[in-house]
Amino acid sequence: QQQVKQSPQSLIVQKGGISIINCAYENTAFDYFPWYQQFPGKGPALLIAIRPDVSEKKEGRFTISFNKSAKQFSLHIMDSQPGDSATYFCAATASSGAGSYQLTFGKGTKLSVIP
Amino acid sequence: KAGVTQTPRYLIKTRGQQVTLSCSPISGHRSVSWYQQTPGQGLQFLFEYFSETQRNKGNFPGRFSGRQFSNSRSEMNVSTLELGDSALYLCASSLTPGGRDTQYFGPGTRLTVL
Repeated sequence: QQQVKQSPQSLIVQKGGISIINCAYENTAFDYFPWYQQFPGKGPALLIAIRPDVSEKKEGRFTISFNKSAKQFSLHIMDSQPGDSATYFCAATASSGAGSYQLTFGKGTKLSVIP
Repeated sequence: KAGVTQTPRYLIKTRGQQVTLSCSPISGHRSVSWYQQTPGQGLQFLFEYFSETQRNKGNFPGRFSGRQFSNSRSEMNVSTLELGDSALYLCASSLTPGGRDTQYFGPGTRLTVL
């Protein structure tokens, strides 16, 4: 119930294209869904996050779409640039409830944006 | 504001040895979480400390342990190292526990077990 499933494992997109990464979760208690970006040799860094009271959140070229009924959320990167080449992790956690929750990560998507 | 620091950055050990990794969180952050990152398993949660108390523990054997000091600095210890312990060990700090606000990651300690 703590799992977050992420796809695809790897993604190659041409410069200027749209990158789409999908995640699905089981635990209905999850109510905070961040995306982290990791460059080689660095730790992950928060990119954008969403709570389930909204269906979409946009920050610059990055958009999270959230479908509560399907228990799915996705990251869209518009106008993808070579500098976006990194590994992206979705994650989820709960902010309340009897359980002692921690941030649960998907297995990551390695994005390569080719010129 | 200084970021999360981890020492050492690289470590080579042999099977059976033990190792201690250190993490200094961002000033004012009381929550420190540890993760193991491998190509096959991704980021796996080890444990979280908040105000010197272990708040949560992932599904790792008892060879993995940790502690947090009164200044919020944290250490992680792995005893009787196995080849499969080779990984990048990341720590992350945050203001509140449970991953409910932004976790700031350090650069990690790359552990190689020979």
